[in-house]
Amino acid sequence: DAGVTQSPTHLIKTRGQQVTLRCSPKSGHDTVSWYQQALGQGPQFIFQYYEEEERQRGNFPDRFSGHQFPNYSSELNVNALLLGDSALYLCASSPKDRGNTGELFFGEGSRLTVL
Amino acid sequence: QQQVKQSPQSLIVQKGGISIINCAYENTAFDYFPWYQQFPGKGPALLIAIRPDVSEKKEGRFTISFNKSAKQFSLHIMDSQPGDSATYFCAASLKDDMRFGAGTRLTVKP
Repeated sequence: DAGVTQSPTHLIKTRGQQVTLRCSPKSGHDTVSWYQQALGQGPQFIFQYYEEEERQRGNFPDRFSGHQFPNYSSELNVNALLLGDSALYLCASSPKDRGNTGELFFGEGSRLTVL
Repeated sequence: QQQVKQSPQSLIVQKGGISIINCAYENTAFDYFPWYQQFPGKGPALLIAIRPDVSEKKEGRFTISFNKSAKQFSLHIMDSQPGDSATYFCAASLKDDMRFGAGTRLTVKP
């Protein structure tokens, strides 16, 4: 049973460019959340997708957008990259409403470096 | 955005000792309090979690103590082992919005 998979694992961009990160959720999961983890910090919630719609959003600017596909996979897009966007971007999946466990299953992340 | 405060930032414990990490939260509406363990190059993985209707939960060497009135909870790792060396994050969530602490880097010396 494959867990959460993310691609690419590492990438380098320059300021002003755009980036797309991809995530496939764990089998049986239909909800995908994205987090930004700066070096030495805890993950910060960006947004969550369910049924191909953004269901909830954290305190991130509109430069951060996403998409969920009918197969539940998801993309995170970041436009007009800033140096401060350099971070590990984590995707987490869960079943709808997470049931009684409340558990999020995380991928290994995509490390973005903005030069 | 930080609504969960975690301490200490780093912790060094001898093998066999007890590791204690503390967290405090602000939003009394949070209804789920997990602890995640993260090894270098990996995503966080759920270690243990508690709901606010219980004061303690134990799973093997890991125990969560929860104090609802003080809005605090802590992770105790008994008989700490070198393999426990990792970064630990507490978190608190309401529905689908999970807020994480800044993390504690635990080093267990052999």
